Amino acid sequence: AQSVTQLGSHVSVSEGALVLLRCNYSSSVPPYLFWYVQYPNQGLQLLLKYTSAATLVKGINGFEAEFKKSETSFHLTKPSAHMSDAAEYFCAVSDRVYGGSQGNLIFGKGTKLSVKP
Amino acid sequence: DAGVIQSPRHEVTEMGQEVTLRCKPISGHNSLFWYRQTMMRGLELLIYFNNNVPIDDSGMPEDRFSAKMPNASFSTLKIQPSEPRDSAVYFCASSPGTGSETQYFGPGTRLLVL
Repeated sequence: AQSVTQLGSHVSVSEGALVLLRCNYSSSVPPYLFWYVQYPNQGLQLLLKYTSAATLVKGINGFEAEFKKSETSFHLTKPSAHMSDAAEYFCAVSDRVYGGSQGNLIFGKGTKLSVKP
Repeated sequence: DAGVIQSPRHEVTEMGQEVTLRCKPISGHNSLFWYRQTMMRGLELLIYFNNNVPIDDSGMPEDRFSAKMPNASFSTLKIQPSEPRDSAVYFCASSPGTGSETQYFGPGTRLLVL
């Protein structure tokens, strides 16, 4: 069964510093992977998704993630943190079965990002 | 597009009362999901529908919870009777369906059961 593990429930960076949020996945089929962001008191919003095209995926707000099959990872990065990036970030993998047309999303437990001035 | 619409945004009720949460998915989407989010348990999938049919309700906590989708543009999640441990934020999400797992979330309903 597919699953994701997010390393670190809380990450704190200084404004302008590199943001790195870690996600490792487990999947028996080529995975479809997602990052979502949740700002306080809001629903989850799609940041980016990987669906077996380019391994480096660019998303909104300057975020990007790189799919590394050898490491079963899909870490989220942003070169320079901004105060407005403070939020909770969720990694997710599709539970699509091999040859299937669609799956549901299996979410990680989330990582809260704090940005210090 | 208005996105996924949920109502009410906030609900405060007393233990034992019936609570009904409502969701209008994005037009044209044929999958709908109900999630619950708490500090302790994180984000939990309660139930999902495909083409208005419940596909998997294994996440529904117990018989006090029920969900319906009478048509493609409306779904309800009902808790009867409500208990303090049901206090959480409940999200509805919809997805285009075949070929796309991307889910679009509503703003959530914050439920407090006293």
